[in-house]
Amino acid sequence: EDQVTQSPEALRLQEGESSSLNCSYTVSGLRGLFWYRQDPGKGPEFLFTLYSAGEEKEKERLKATLTKKESFLHITAPKPEDSATYLCAVRANTGRRALTFGSGTRLQVQP
Amino acid sequence: DGGITQSPKYLFRKEGQNVTLSCEQNLNHDAMYWYRQDPGQGLRLIYYSQIVNDFQKGDIAEGYSVSREKKESFPLTVTSAQKNPTAFYLCASSNSEASYNEQFFGPGTRLTVL
Repeated sequence: EDQVTQSPEALRLQEGESSSLNCSYTVSGLRGLFWYRQDPGKGPEFLFTLYSAGEEKEKERLKATLTKKESFLHITAPKPEDSATYLCAVRANTGRRALTFGSGTRLQVQP
Repeated sequence: DGGITQSPKYLFRKEGQNVTLSCEQNLNHDAMYWYRQDPGQGLRLIYYSQIVNDFQKGDIAEGYSVSREKKESFPLTVTSAQKNPTAFYLCASSNSEASYNEQFFGPGTRLTVL
């Protein structure tokens, strides 16, 4: 059974204080690992797809990395508008195209 | 504008009622999905459909039903058999021809049982 575990559950940072969010996964053959951002009461917004160990993707203050067992979302010099829940999901290398999600990390960036 | 729309934004259901949540997309995606999100939890898959007139149960399908008569539409019915339907419901779609099949989400429907 595919599993995704995210840590920490919640993280409070000061503006400008860089940190990382963790996503550990077990999957029967990784087809893709996905990061989403979700604001309260809204649908998740797609951020990145990672495919193979060693791959990195960047977008503004966010950088996602992937190893064979986990992914990190690095946030550099965050701003209050980066406050959101960040969700990690995996897709297995099977016929089922649906994703398995972690429970997310709630990030709060204080000015 | 291309995207996914869900309606209504808020829905209230009385005990014993069936209710239907709407999901429409104009992205020309062939695959569509329904997820349920409870507070502090990740998304859980209810049903998915990879082509018109075909759909598969997800991990928590009991008490729900779907149809896929058109490529653009994938409505979800929450039946009276669903014992704890209060949750945030999210619809997503993807292009199964794309390499990694990224899913894109609608704005969600919050269902509350009175």
